[in-house]
Amino acid sequence: QSALTQPPSASGSPGQSVTISCTGTSSDVGGYDYVSWYQQHPGEAPKLMIYEVDKRPSGVPDRFSGSKSGNTASLTVSGLQAEDEADYYCSSYAGGITPFVFGTGTKVTVL
Amino acid sequence: EVQLLESGGGLVQPGGSLRLSCAASGLTFRTYAMSWVRQAPGKGLEWVSAISSSAISTYYVDSVKGRFTISRDTSKSTLYLQMNSLRAEDTAVYYCARVTPNWDHFDSWGQGTLVTVSP
Repeated sequence: QSALTQPPSASGSPGQSVTISCTGTSSDVGGYDYVSWYQQHPGEAPKLMIYEVDKRPSGVPDRFSGSKSGNTASLTVSGLQAEDEADYYCSSYAGGITPFVFGTGTKVTVL
Repeated sequence: EVQLLESGGGLVQPGGSLRLSCAASGLTFRTYAMSWVRQAPGKGLEWVSAISSSAISTYYVDSVKGRFTISRDTSKSTLYLQMNSLRAEDTAVYYCARVTPNWDHFDSWGQGTLVTVSP
């Protein structure tokens, strides 16, 4: 199972929007509506931000949104804030004997 | 509030063994599948292993098959990862995570424990 492909970096000024892509295959991203996104600040554990493509857990600001088209999922952060600067990872259910796969990760910088 | 507390990490020589533990609280442990995810220094997240709530089913990433064994003790609300034949490339922070009932994401994470494999 290969890692999902994400751009290494993305950036935006405060108040702007940034969108991160996550590309897989029909065996993972394209095959299930089970894409999730995690935020990770340096030295901290990952935090769930989006699940099942576009659902937000309680407590996650509505500035974070998710979508999917075919084998590519996306995370959009609107109204960027300084605290949004972090690494972001997508993940997808992949079924079979290796049920989970993560993306390569994207470092978001708030300019 | 769900709390997951990993322990057991440390420095081990190549070829050595280590057992990680993850003590869970604030959840009905026996009803949830659990997983281990690791992160090598400066690298991304990598799913390592998962175990069903009943412990009947276990899953591993190809690179650890035959070397790592995941298990759980419901009476102690504790998840384990027995790691044998360790290699330098197993050096990472190992996180314990709760798997949701649909097996589609990880909704709670521990703070991680560092495993360093070095002579």
